[in-house]
Amino acid sequence: DIVMTQSPDSLAVSLGERATINCKSSQSVLYSSNNKNYLAWYKQTPGQPPKLLISWASTRESGVPDRFSGSGSATDFTLTISSLQAEDVAVYYCKQYYSPPLTFGGGTKVEIK
Amino acid sequence: EVQLVESGGALVQPGRSLRLSCTASGFIFGDYAMSWFRQAPGEGLEWVGFIRGKAYVYGGTIQYAASVKDRFTISRDDSNSVAYLQMNSLKTEDTAVYYCGRGGHCSTTTCPLVIDYWGQGTLVTVSS
Repeated sequence: DIVMTQSPDSLAVSLGERATINCKSSQSVLYSSNNKNYLAWYKQTPGQPPKLLISWASTRESGVPDRFSGSGSATDFTLTISSLQAEDVAVYYCKQYYSPPLTFGGGTKVEIK
Repeated sequence: EVQLVESGGALVQPGRSLRLSCTASGFIFGDYAMSWFRQAPGEGLEWVGFIRGKAYVYGGTIQYAASVKDRFTISRDDSNSVAYLQMNSLKTEDTAVYYCGRGGHCSTTTCPLVIDYWGQGTLVTVSS
């Protein structure tokens, strides 16, 4: 199984400042035949289902603010919120879909400082 | 508008069975893989299993997490746009909110499991 490790577990950032979340996979999720990273980022607020923010490591979903960006390749990935807004308070998860079992990172809780 | 609505969650005793449904609308159901996930109270997300769409070369392929294999069964009714999760021999550790998710869109050669829409979830509590 591919183990996904997120860091930090929690993060407090001032409004308007940058938030950076890291995700490391125990093996590469880069599929060589199409050069795509099978890595997604989700946002979850209390009592709500997860919401897809980014797929293929860096492709932002329609309607997701451009302050959210994803980067990285193979085993090391980053979700960046360039200017934290109040509505960004949530838990963020990375997930690999390179091979079953689909696995998630443990989550990073983002709060306002 | 894509909608997924789970139903069937309940309080059940250990060892009993329960069937969850995920009713979909707003898209061509048969073209997509459908997945189930769960989230225990205060915990992270766990994948339960998926069933691929029929367009894929291995259409209808089903895979499960090790924690539920041989106890849970996923199926789908494309004509009615419903996915099912049959849960047998339930354990207290199966207590969670269960979510269904759409994804991905299956072609003949690919069926990437990007979950782009999620239902609101249904609570399953296993307790005596």
